[in-house]
Amino acid sequence: QSALTQPPSASGSPGQSVTISCTGTSSDVGGYNYVSWYQQHPGKAPKLMIYEVSKRPSGVPDRFSGSKSGNTASLTVSGLQAEDDADYYCSSYADSNNLVFGGGTKLTVL
Amino acid sequence: QVQLVQSGAEVKKPGASVKVSCKASGYTFITYGISWVRQAPGQGLECMGWISPYTGNTNYAQKVQGRVTMTTDTSTSTAYMELRSLRSDDTAVYYCARGPKDGYSLGYWGQGTLVTVSS
Repeated sequence: QSALTQPPSASGSPGQSVTISCTGTSSDVGGYNYVSWYQQHPGKAPKLMIYEVSKRPSGVPDRFSGSKSGNTASLTVSGLQAEDDADYYCSSYADSNNLVFGGGTKLTVL
Repeated sequence: QVQLVQSGAEVKKPGASVKVSCKASGYTFITYGISWVRQAPGQGLECMGWISPYTGNTNYAQKVQGRVTMTTDTSTSTAYMELRSLRSDDTAVYYCARGPKDGYSLGYWGQGTLVTVSS
């Protein structure tokens, strides 16, 4: 059982937008602006896409955006492209110096 | 460019130990922590903890506390993760990653090391 709750799957057609949620508690997501999102293609290492809720590392397309409201963080992918088809994981700092992950969401580009 | 290169796959028997290495390059090793994250087959990511190469301080997840030791060798810019008393549910791909930094994010990852625990 993962510490953060994500939907197991999401989908959208090329060009559309899709939003993936990540729900925690006041001890993690709700208590800190330390939410990150990672993209993972099959057989590959995760790649950082969003940090500190809404910041993008250099090189990450601005089609990827993050937000947070209360205990739920969200990742939005706009203008879906075929290469966005991957697993996405959220993570958050949690009380007592822990780092917790969500269970992952498989994004399918139809 | 930042690179983290991990050691190769391992097969171990239950009760044994495994030590995975992670050699960093492309940045000043002591200025970033090294985290270890594992992923069981078909499952999600699990943070095992991290180490500061600068201070040697460690922070271990409760689930592996007592069985894991993370160390670094600053002379070779290499981090190590040793896991003892292996069980079948320790079978996973083990990743090292640079961080946590910038809001507890992990900015660069190694390629992963498959550890299989089987009798």
